[in-house]
Amino acid sequence: AQSVTQPDIHITVSEGASLELRCNYSYGATPYLFWYVQSPGQGLQLLLKYFSGDTLVQGIKGFEAEFKRSQSSFNLRKPSVHWSDAAEYFCAVGPSGGSYIPTFGRGTSLIVHP
Amino acid sequence: DAGVIQSPRHEVTEMGQEVTLRCKPISGHNSLFWYRQTMMRGLELLIYFNNNVPIDDSGMPEDRFSAKMPNASFSTLKIQPSEPRDSAVYFCASSSLGLAGGRAGELFFGEGSRLTVL
Repeated sequence: AQSVTQPDIHITVSEGASLELRCNYSYGATPYLFWYVQSPGQGLQLLLKYFSGDTLVQGIKGFEAEFKRSQSSFNLRKPSVHWSDAAEYFCAVGPSGGSYIPTFGRGTSLIVHP
Repeated sequence: DAGVIQSPRHEVTEMGQEVTLRCKPISGHNSLFWYRQTMMRGLELLIYFNNNVPIDDSGMPEDRFSAKMPNASFSTLKIQPSEPRDSAVYFCASSSLGLAGGRAGELFFGEGSRLTVL
């Protein structure tokens, strides 16, 4: 069975600082990997995804993530955080056993200090 | 293009009452998901439809919960009778999984229905 671990429940950074959110997965084959963002009171929105090819993927809002097979990781990064980036971030892995249901991590809450 | 539309956005009800949450997926999508989000449990998949057929309902908590998808453009999640522990945000998401040009695993979420059961 596939699983996703986001080890950090909360992350606090200062505006302008760099950011890295961690994601580790467990999956028997090459996974599809996703990062979603949830702003307060909103649904989840896709930030970026990895299916194959270049292991460094670019997403919306200046985010990027790197797939590292040897570490089973797909960490999300941003060089300079803006106050509007404060949100909940979810890592997801899919598909599973022929279905296409992604498995979501528990999420990391990003707090941005001015 | 219109996204996934959920209603109501907020619902406050008393224990024992019936609650019906509604979802209109993105036109052309063939898969629909109902999720529940709470602080304690995070994001839980309740049920998944493909081409209007329930494929996996193993996440439905108990018989008080039921979901239907009578056609490709509408789904409901019903709780009867409701209990305080059902208080949560319920999300509907849709996707074009498996279709030509579809993007496996990419879900489009509605804004959610926040349910409070007193």
